[in-house]
Amino acid sequence: GAVVSQHPSRVICKSGTSVKIECRSLDFQATTMFWYRQFPKQSLMLMATSNEGSKATYEQGVEKDKFLINHASLTLSTLTVTSAHPEDSSFYICSAIDSGGRDTQYFGPGTRLTVL
Amino acid sequence: QKEVEQDPGPLSVPEGAIVSLNCTYSNSAFQYFMWYRQYSRKGPELLMYTYSSGNKEDGRFTAQVDKSSKYISLFIRDSQPSDSATYLCAPDMRFGAGTRLTVKP
Repeated sequence: GAVVSQHPSRVICKSGTSVKIECRSLDFQATTMFWYRQFPKQSLMLMATSNEGSKATYEQGVEKDKFLINHASLTLSTLTVTSAHPEDSSFYICSAIDSGGRDTQYFGPGTRLTVL
Repeated sequence: QKEVEQDPGPLSVPEGAIVSLNCTYSNSAFQYFMWYRQYSRKGPELLMYTYSSGNKEDGRFTAQVDKSSKYISLFIRDSQPSDSATYLCAPDMRFGAGTRLTVKP
């Protein structure tokens, strides 16, 4: 069945460094992937829509130069948090659309980022 | 075997119907159980969460967890067209595929 993986599952970094998070669809091709960030009340905020071979579409209020998204292949999207600061500490989740499977959205297991 | 199984539907019901949405999971270590509602192009919104087996009610919504059978349910009473969305179960933040629900007036 359709599976989406994320790597790393946890990362701790120093303030000012950049962190890359990978999102992979393991057994299906995904032309569209989404990146979410979890806020304290547990709802997920859509950050951006990642489209293979084109620029990501960012939601209002999300800094595109801060959160770099690259969807280089049909199975991989990456989110790079540049010059991370403590306020970027959060749980980041990706999802991928299986366009060959009723457009079902499959979520990754999430990445916990802690910026010291 | 996937950790969380959820029928993606779609599910279509008439207004006023009782809706039953279900998930099964394989990891007996899961401790908290969440249901999210997602409208198109929005992030999933937390509807309900519970930490134990049994029922939890919030207005027209009832979440039910049976840890012994690893089965999670969400019931919606008196369903409304505004309930039309995708509903995702997420035990320990491991999301199911989501069930697409349409409530017809």
